[in-house]
Amino acid sequence: AQSVTQPDARVTVSEGASLQLRCKYSYSGTPYLFWYVQYPRQGLQLLLKYYSGDPVVQGVNGFEAEFSKSNSSFHLRKASVHWSDSAVYFCALTRTGGYKVVFGSGTRLLVSP
Amino acid sequence: NAGVIQTPRHKVTGKGQEATLWCEPISGHSAVFWYRQTIVQGLEFLTYFRNQAPIDDSGMPKERFSAQMPNQSHSTLKIQSTQPQDSAVYLCASSFSGGVYEQYFGPGTRLTVL
Repeated sequence: AQSVTQPDARVTVSEGASLQLRCKYSYSGTPYLFWYVQYPRQGLQLLLKYYSGDPVVQGVNGFEAEFSKSNSSFHLRKASVHWSDSAVYFCALTRTGGYKVVFGSGTRLLVSP
Repeated sequence: NAGVIQTPRHKVTGKGQEATLWCEPISGHSAVFWYRQTIVQGLEFLTYFRNQAPIDDSGMPKERFSAQMPNQSHSTLKIQSTQPQDSAVYLCASSFSGGVYEQYFGPGTRLTVL
Protein backbone atom coordinates (compact mmCIF):
# COMPACT_ATOMS: atom_id res chain seq x y z
CA ALA A 1 0.00 0.00 0.00
CA GLN A 2 1.10 3.53 -0.63
CA SER A 3 1.20 6.41 1.82
CA VAL A 4 2.22 10.05 2.00
CA THR A 5 3.69 11.79 5.03
CA GLN A 6 3.89 15.52 5.51
CA PRO A 7 5.85 15.88 8.74
CA ASP A 8 5.15 19.55 9.31
CA ALA A 9 1.58 20.38 10.24
CA ARG A 10 2.28 24.12 10.30
CA VAL A 11 5.01 26.26 8.79
CA THR A 12 5.44 29.98 9.31
CA VAL A 13 7.72 32.04 7.09
CA SER A 14 8.22 35.73 6.58
CA GLU A 15 7.11 37.35 3.36
CA GLY A 16 9.94 37.32 0.86
CA ALA A 17 11.69 34.38 2.48
CA SER A 18 12.27 31.07 0.79
CA LEU A 19 10.08 28.08 1.49
CA GLN A 20 10.37 24.32 1.59
CA LEU A 21 7.48 22.04 2.47
CA ARG A 22 8.43 18.44 3.02
CA CYS A 23 6.77 15.35 1.62
CA LYS A 24 7.82 11.73 2.00
CA TYR A 25 6.06 8.88 0.28
CA SER A 26 5.97 5.15 0.61
CA TYR A 27 5.44 3.12 -2.55
CA SER A 28 7.48 0.31 -4.00
CA GLY A 29 6.98 1.33 -7.61
CA THR A 30 7.40 4.64 -9.42
CA PRO A 31 4.70 6.99 -8.22
CA TYR A 32 2.85 9.83 -9.82
CA LEU A 33 3.20 12.75 -7.41
CA PHE A 34 1.23 15.93 -6.98
CA TRP A 35 1.12 19.05 -4.88
CA TYR A 36 -2.24 20.67 -4.34
CA VAL A 37 -3.09 23.91 -2.51
CA GLN A 38 -6.32 24.63 -0.68
CA TYR A 39 -7.35 28.17 0.13
CA PRO A 40 -10.02 28.80 2.76
CA ARG A 41 -13.48 27.61 1.75
CA GLN A 42 -12.21 26.41 -1.61
CA GLY A 43 -11.42 23.09 -3.23
CA LEU A 44 -7.98 21.82 -4.01
CA GLN A 45 -6.02 23.38 -6.84
CA LEU A 46 -3.19 21.60 -8.59
CA LEU A 47 0.18 23.30 -8.21
CA LEU A 48 2.35 20.82 -10.05
CA LYS A 49 2.76 17.17 -10.91
CA TYR A 50 5.53 14.70 -11.54
CA TYR A 51 5.20 11.67 -13.75
CA SER A 52 8.73 11.02 -15.04
CA GLY A 53 11.81 12.68 -16.47
CA ASP A 54 13.48 15.75 -14.98
CA PRO A 55 13.16 15.39 -11.21
CA VAL A 56 12.63 19.11 -10.78
CA VAL A 57 9.20 20.17 -11.95
CA GLN A 58 7.90 23.69 -12.25
CA GLY A 59 4.43 24.68 -11.22
CA VAL A 60 2.23 27.71 -11.01
CA ASN A 61 3.04 30.91 -9.12
CA GLY A 62 6.78 30.19 -8.87
CA PHE A 63 6.48 26.86 -7.09
CA GLU A 64 8.71 23.94 -7.93
CA ALA A 65 9.23 20.48 -6.48
CA GLU A 66 12.03 17.97 -6.63
CA PHE A 67 11.48 14.23 -6.84
CA SER A 68 14.05 12.00 -5.17
CA LYS A 69 13.62 8.27 -5.59
CA SER A 70 16.51 7.50 -3.25
CA ASN A 71 14.97 9.58 -0.47
CA SER A 72 11.34 8.81 -1.36
CA SER A 73 10.65 12.49 -1.24
CA PHE A 74 8.90 15.19 -3.22
CA HIS A 75 9.58 18.48 -1.47
CA LEU A 76 7.92 21.71 -2.55
CA ARG A 77 9.96 24.91 -2.82
CA LYS A 78 9.49 28.56 -3.56
CA ALA A 79 12.23 31.16 -3.69
CA SER A 80 10.23 34.07 -2.30
CA VAL A 81 6.81 33.71 -0.69
CA HIS A 82 4.00 36.20 -0.77
CA TRP A 83 1.28 36.71 1.84
CA SER A 84 -1.22 35.29 -0.64
CA ASP A 85 0.59 31.94 -0.48
CA SER A 86 -0.90 31.37 2.97
CA ALA A 87 -2.98 28.20 2.57
CA VAL A 88 -2.93 24.47 3.22
CA TYR A 89 -0.70 22.42 0.94
CA PHE A 90 -1.26 18.75 0.23
CA CYS A 91 1.19 16.30 -1.22
CA ALA A 92 -0.46 13.38 -3.02
CA LEU A 93 0.39 10.19 -4.85
CA THR A 94 -1.14 7.69 -7.22
CA ARG A 95 0.45 4.43 -8.15
CA THR A 96 1.48 3.70 -11.72
CA GLY A 97 -1.66 3.18 -13.76
CA GLY A 98 -3.82 3.93 -10.77
CA TYR A 99 -6.56 6.45 -10.14
CA LYS A 100 -7.01 6.55 -6.38
CA VAL A 101 -5.16 9.55 -4.99
CA VAL A 102 -3.60 9.16 -1.56
CA PHE A 103 -3.16 12.47 0.21
CA GLY A 104 -0.85 13.56 2.96
CA SER A 105 -2.27 15.24 6.02
CA GLY A 106 -1.45 18.68 4.73
CA THR A 107 0.82 21.52 5.84
CA ARG A 108 -0.70 24.82 6.83
CA LEU A 109 1.51 27.66 5.61
CA LEU A 110 1.31 31.06 7.22
CA VAL A 111 3.21 33.89 5.59
CA SER A 112 3.82 36.69 8.05
CA PRO A 113 4.34 40.30 6.99
CA ASN B 1 -14.77 26.48 -18.30
CA ALA B 2 -16.64 26.81 -15.02
CA GLY B 3 -14.71 24.09 -13.29
CA VAL B 4 -16.31 21.41 -11.16
CA ILE B 5 -19.55 22.66 -9.67
CA GLN B 6 -20.87 21.41 -6.36
CA THR B 7 -24.19 22.28 -4.81
CA PRO B 8 -25.14 23.19 -2.22
CA ARG B 9 -22.03 24.79 -0.76
CA HIS B 10 -23.38 24.36 2.75
CA LYS B 11 -26.01 21.99 4.07
CA VAL B 12 -27.30 21.63 7.59
CA THR B 13 -29.39 18.60 8.48
CA GLY B 14 -30.86 17.21 11.63
CA LYS B 15 -29.80 13.81 12.87
CA GLY B 16 -31.69 11.13 10.96
CA GLN B 17 -32.48 13.27 7.94
CA GLU B 18 -31.32 12.61 4.40
CA ALA B 19 -28.73 14.69 2.55
CA THR B 20 -28.14 14.73 -1.19
CA LEU B 21 -25.04 16.38 -2.56
CA TRP B 22 -24.65 17.28 -6.24
CA CYS B 23 -21.62 17.46 -8.48
CA GLU B 24 -21.30 18.65 -12.06
CA PRO B 25 -17.96 17.59 -13.56
CA ILE B 26 -16.00 19.54 -16.10
CA SER B 27 -17.43 19.03 -19.56
CA GLY B 28 -15.50 16.34 -21.42
CA HIS B 29 -14.20 14.69 -18.30
CA SER B 30 -15.13 11.05 -18.07
CA ALA B 31 -14.00 10.32 -14.52
CA VAL B 32 -15.67 11.55 -11.35
CA PHE B 33 -14.40 11.07 -7.82
CA TRP B 34 -15.88 11.78 -4.40
CA TYR B 35 -13.76 12.49 -1.32
CA ARG B 36 -14.54 13.34 2.29
CA GLN B 37 -12.43 15.83 4.21
CA THR B 38 -12.34 16.08 7.99
CA ILE B 39 -9.85 17.50 10.43
CA VAL B 40 -9.25 14.12 12.02
CA GLN B 41 -9.15 11.84 8.98
CA GLY B 42 -7.94 14.29 6.35
CA LEU B 43 -8.87 13.57 2.75
CA GLU B 44 -10.47 10.18 2.21
CA PHE B 45 -11.40 8.60 -1.10
CA LEU B 46 -15.02 7.53 -1.25
CA THR B 47 -15.93 6.44 -4.75
CA TYR B 48 -15.07 6.67 -8.46
CA PHE B 49 -17.08 6.64 -11.69
CA ARG B 50 -15.74 6.32 -15.20
CA ASN B 51 -18.03 6.94 -18.15
CA GLN B 52 -20.89 7.00 -15.62
CA ALA B 53 -20.17 3.44 -14.45
CA PRO B 54 -19.22 2.83 -10.83
CA ILE B 55 -15.67 1.53 -10.77
CA ASP B 56 -14.58 1.63 -7.15
CA ASP B 57 -16.67 2.37 -4.07
CA SER B 58 -14.22 0.90 -1.58
CA GLY B 59 -14.14 4.07 0.47
CA MET B 60 -17.87 4.37 0.92
CA PRO B 61 -19.30 3.49 4.31
CA LYS B 62 -21.30 0.32 3.83
CA GLU B 63 -24.44 1.70 5.30
CA ARG B 64 -26.36 4.89 4.56
CA PHE B 65 -24.04 6.16 1.81
CA SER B 66 -24.73 5.79 -1.90
CA ALA B 67 -23.54 7.51 -5.06
CA GLN B 68 -24.89 7.64 -8.55
CA MET B 69 -24.01 9.11 -11.90
CA PRO B 70 -27.18 9.04 -14.00
CA ASN B 71 -25.66 11.03 -16.84
CA GLN B 72 -22.32 12.48 -17.85
CA SER B 73 -23.14 15.90 -16.49
CA HIS B 74 -23.83 15.14 -12.86
CA SER B 75 -23.24 12.82 -9.97
CA THR B 76 -24.95 12.65 -6.60
CA LEU B 77 -23.85 11.48 -3.19
CA LYS B 78 -26.71 10.56 -0.90
CA ILE B 79 -26.45 10.04 2.83
CA GLN B 80 -29.48 8.51 4.50
CA SER B 81 -30.23 8.95 8.19
CA THR B 82 -27.37 11.39 8.68
CA GLN B 83 -25.36 11.21 11.88
CA PRO B 84 -23.15 13.85 13.53
CA GLN B 85 -20.05 11.91 12.49
CA ASP B 86 -21.04 12.47 8.84
CA SER B 87 -20.26 16.17 9.29
CA ALA B 88 -17.45 16.93 6.86
CA VAL B 89 -16.58 18.67 3.62
CA TYR B 90 -17.46 16.47 0.68
CA LEU B 91 -15.31 17.13 -2.36
CA CYS B 92 -16.03 16.09 -5.91
CA ALA B 93 -13.30 15.91 -8.52
CA SER B 94 -13.21 15.10 -12.20
CA SER B 95 -10.49 14.17 -14.62
CA PHE B 96 -10.12 13.67 -18.33
CA SER B 97 -9.94 9.98 -17.67
CA GLY B 98 -9.21 7.78 -14.75
CA GLY B 99 -5.59 7.02 -14.19
CA VAL B 100 -2.69 9.31 -14.69
CA TYR B 101 -4.58 12.48 -15.46
CA GLU B 102 -4.74 15.00 -12.67
CA GLN B 103 -7.99 15.54 -10.87
CA TYR B 104 -9.74 18.90 -10.74
CA PHE B 105 -11.64 19.59 -7.55
CA GLY B 106 -14.82 21.44 -6.85
CA PRO B 107 -15.20 23.83 -3.91
CA GLY B 108 -16.85 21.17 -1.78
CA THR B 109 -20.09 20.89 0.17
CA ARG B 110 -19.81 21.46 3.89
CA LEU B 111 -22.31 19.15 5.59
CA THR B 112 -23.21 19.83 9.19
CA VAL B 113 -25.37 17.32 11.02
CA LEU B 114 -26.87 18.68 14.22
